Amino acid sequence: EAGVVQSPRYKIIEKKQPVAFWCNPISGHNTLYWYLQNLGQGPELLIRYENEEAVDDSQLPKDRFSAERLKGVDSTLKIQPAELGDSAVYLCASSLGVAGNTGELFFGEGSRLTVL
Amino acid sequence: QKEVEQNSGPLSVPEGAIASLNCTYSDRGSQSFFWYRQYSGKSPELIMFIYSNGDKEDGRFTAQLNKASQYVSLLIRDSQPSDSATYLCAVIGNSGYALNFGKGTSLLVTP
Repeated sequence: EAGVVQSPRYKIIEKKQPVAFWCNPISGHNTLYWYLQNLGQGPELLIRYENEEAVDDSQLPKDRFSAERLKGVDSTLKIQPAELGDSAVYLCASSLGVAGNTGELFFGEGSRLTVL
Repeated sequence: QKEVEQNSGPLSVPEGAIASLNCTYSDRGSQSFFWYRQYSGKSPELIMFIYSNGDKEDGRFTAQLNKASQYVSLLIRDSQPSDSATYLCAVIGNSGYALNFGKGTSLLVTP
């Protein structure tokens, strides 16, 4: 069974440019998460979807970040315009049901963003 | 104050020794506690979860939870060089929905 797939794995852009990350969760997982991980830090939640509904986006900087999960499967995270401080790894994760059941989130390999 | 606190380390232990990793949390209403392992350049993977006070053992790993003191720990017995990684403590609060991660403790097991 395929795991969580993310693309691109690496992206280098200049500041003020737009960037988008794509995530395909594990088949059947209705809950999808986007986390941001800075070097030496733990993952920080940006947004959580249950099916196609964003049920927790309180930590998403909405002035420049946006996300969507069409048809409750794939998801896209966009940053426009990117700033130097956005350089980080963007992790997508999925789970069967809400995390509170088992806490087992399945993470993708991440998309490493470098903003110059 | 961050919700989940961990010493960033690095924690260095010799091969075969017991590695002890600690975590404290601020939300007294937290219900579920997890340990994830993250190798350098890789994504986190779940090692153990614990819900009740006391110890929970799984192979070489033992998770310990003390809700009164608001700490959770992970013991790794017979540490191996392959255990060298960053260990992330994660907590689910009253909302019961999303994991809050600590910054992780870097463990180095030396041969």
